[in-house]
Amino acid sequence: SYVLTQPPSVSVAPGKTARITCGGNNIGSKSVHWYQQKPGQAPVLVIYYDSDRPSGIPERFSGSNSGNTATLTISRVEAGDEADYYCQVWDSSSDRGVFGTGTKVTVL
Amino acid sequence: QVQLVQSGAEVKKPGASVKVSCKVSGYTLTELSMHWVRQAPGKGLEWMGGFDPEDGETIYAQKFQGRVTMTEDTSTDTAYMELSSLRSEDTAVYYCATRDYGDFSPFDYWGQGTLVTVSS
Repeated sequence: SYVLTQPPSVSVAPGKTARITCGGNNIGSKSVHWYQQKPGQAPVLVIYYDSDRPSGIPERFSGSNSGNTATLTISRVEAGDEADYYCQVWDSSSDRGVFGTGTKVTVL
Repeated sequence: QVQLVQSGAEVKKPGASVKVSCKVSGYTLTELSMHWVRQAPGKGLEWMGGFDPEDGETIYAQKFQGRVTMTEDTSTDTAYMELSSLRSEDTAVYYCATRDYGDFSPFDYWGQGTLVTVSS
């Protein structure tokens, strides 16, 4: 089955840039979605189809996808961005959903 | 705007079954592809299964095959997820989530989650 690997944690100072990677075999050929989850809350879609932003999501959130790595970038990080982030794809060989292992973003 | 409201927390004994509901408003169930995702305490998100609009069938993750059943009542726009033969490892928050019918579309709406605790 298809596997998505994320770093367990990323730490960043306020105002700096956080980059969260999502590794998968030839992930560049797939559409990647990103979710933000704060403690005790349901996940929220922050990036879809690699780099599109839903309405209401700040422009500070952006995404890219190429080769074996997709990346979620959070610019000018704020305290409110502290959360767990998950990447997600559809495994076209099995028509099944796959989530990444998740990354906890800590704002220093 | 889609709203998903799930049923309340459940406590079950090992070996029992649980059925969680997810009421849709703002859209009808037939306009959406309903899926279920779970999250064990302190762990990541795990896709369990959902409606595949391409072939009109419900598909399940291999891990839950034979133990999970996902159904829909279109007359009340309510989806259900039933998990049987519960064990302690099934203790988790269960979310319903919807996607549109686009290719490889994301989960754009989520329910609030239902905590299922399996304990003797």
